[in-house]
Amino acid sequence: GESVGLHLPTLSVQEGDNSIINCAYSNSASDYFIWYKQESGKGPQFIIDIRSNMDKRQGQRVTVLLNKTVKHLSLQIAATQPGDSAVYFCAEFRGSARQLTFGSGTQLTVLP
Amino acid sequence: DVKVTQSSRYLVKRTGEKVFLECVQDMDHENMFWYRQDPGLGLRLIYFSYDVKMKEKGDIPEGYSVSREKKERFSLILESASTNQTSMYLCASRVTSEAFFGQGTRLTVV
Repeated sequence: GESVGLHLPTLSVQEGDNSIINCAYSNSASDYFIWYKQESGKGPQFIIDIRSNMDKRQGQRVTVLLNKTVKHLSLQIAATQPGDSAVYFCAEFRGSARQLTFGSGTQLTVLP
Repeated sequence: DVKVTQSSRYLVKRTGEKVFLECVQDMDHENMFWYRQDPGLGLRLIYFSYDVKMKEKGDIPEGYSVSREKKERFSLILESASTNQTSMYLCASRVTSEAFFGQGTRLTVV
């Protein structure tokens, strides 16, 4: 069965606001959690990852938070821009199984 | 620049045909994956390979097979295409937690 999933299939935010995209997982054996962005007509593109022994990781305008207690992962996008409109997937990687498993995705729409 | 190339962007095939989807990567990655993407279901893993001639089933392998004769090439085979295999197919390769995807093949089976 699915070991990662997303809370909401769609999310709309105003340009300039912060976006928070959430993801729940069930498998505690994951080594990494990863966020991907998929723009229309393209394959998914890596945004940021976080090791399972970390709580927070920051990139350029993005922050990923990992709460292992409640098995919850979030992606925060600061000052959301029109170019951020895309489908966002969380994924988990388990080295022992060599698998990369994806959730169902959240469509982020940035409103002008 | 890293590159994963899928041989076709769009394909239309008839029910019962044998279909080959090809994927080539130029990064010398050991691990390669085939996913299908359907609305509301995200990316579902069909098969993956962690070395030449090695393959493992993913979550939905039924109706598919794969071939990895060379490190850079990973082929997905639909032995007898059916209409429920109409989908977007995505190939990926990775060496760390970061996977690189091709642009996808939209397959329609009529």
